[in-house]
Amino acid sequence: GIQVEQSPPDLILQEGANSTLRCNFSDSVNNLQWFHQNPWGQLINLFYIPSGTKQNGRLSATTVATERYSLLYISSSQTTDSGVYFCAVPTGGGNKLTFGTGTQLKVEL
Amino acid sequence: GAVVSQHPSWVICKSGTSVKIECRSLDFQATTMFWYRQFPKQSLMLMATSNEGSKATYEQGVEKDKFLINHASLTLSTLTVTSAHPEDSSFYICSATEAGISYEQYFGPGTRLTVT
Repeated sequence: GIQVEQSPPDLILQEGANSTLRCNFSDSVNNLQWFHQNPWGQLINLFYIPSGTKQNGRLSATTVATERYSLLYISSSQTTDSGVYFCAVPTGGGNKLTFGTGTQLKVEL
Repeated sequence: GAVVSQHPSWVICKSGTSVKIECRSLDFQATTMFWYRQFPKQSLMLMATSNEGSKATYEQGVEKDKFLINHASLTLSTLTVTSAHPEDSSFYICSATEAGISYEQYFGPGTRLTVT
């Protein structure tokens, strides 16, 4: 099946810093989602981005489907950005999702 | 919009008993719901796909008789963990896609199950 790797696995930032999270996938996909899992376990939809670039406030995402990767940019990070960031891609010919390995982000004051 | 709820948010049960977890789409109709399991510090693993009015499709390695899934309406799917054992302790999360709109999945807040 499709493999989805994320990097870095762990990241510690000072508040106000910028960061880039990467998601690599092993096969062609027709859409991709980015999620933030907060410390209570809730997954929050960040982006549904098959290709191109989208922006939402301090966050933006770019997917280059032909090169099989997506990037999530976080600017001016805040402590509330802490948590785990997952990317996920469809698998099995349907709308099932395969999740990436995740990036654990901690933003410190 | 696109809110998914789960109940209960946490449950503790004794070994050998059964536990039912509900997943509801609150403001949309969901023809398809998914059930995931997440162990501490790990990613989400898909357990099964649930389609309204039909039998669930289980992923390889998931015991159908242990994890009973019912999707009786366009807004409700349930997961029943039967004869629970301590190794079934985990974080269970459901998601749903909005019928006829897109494949984007919306997730419930999760249910933390502890089997003693």
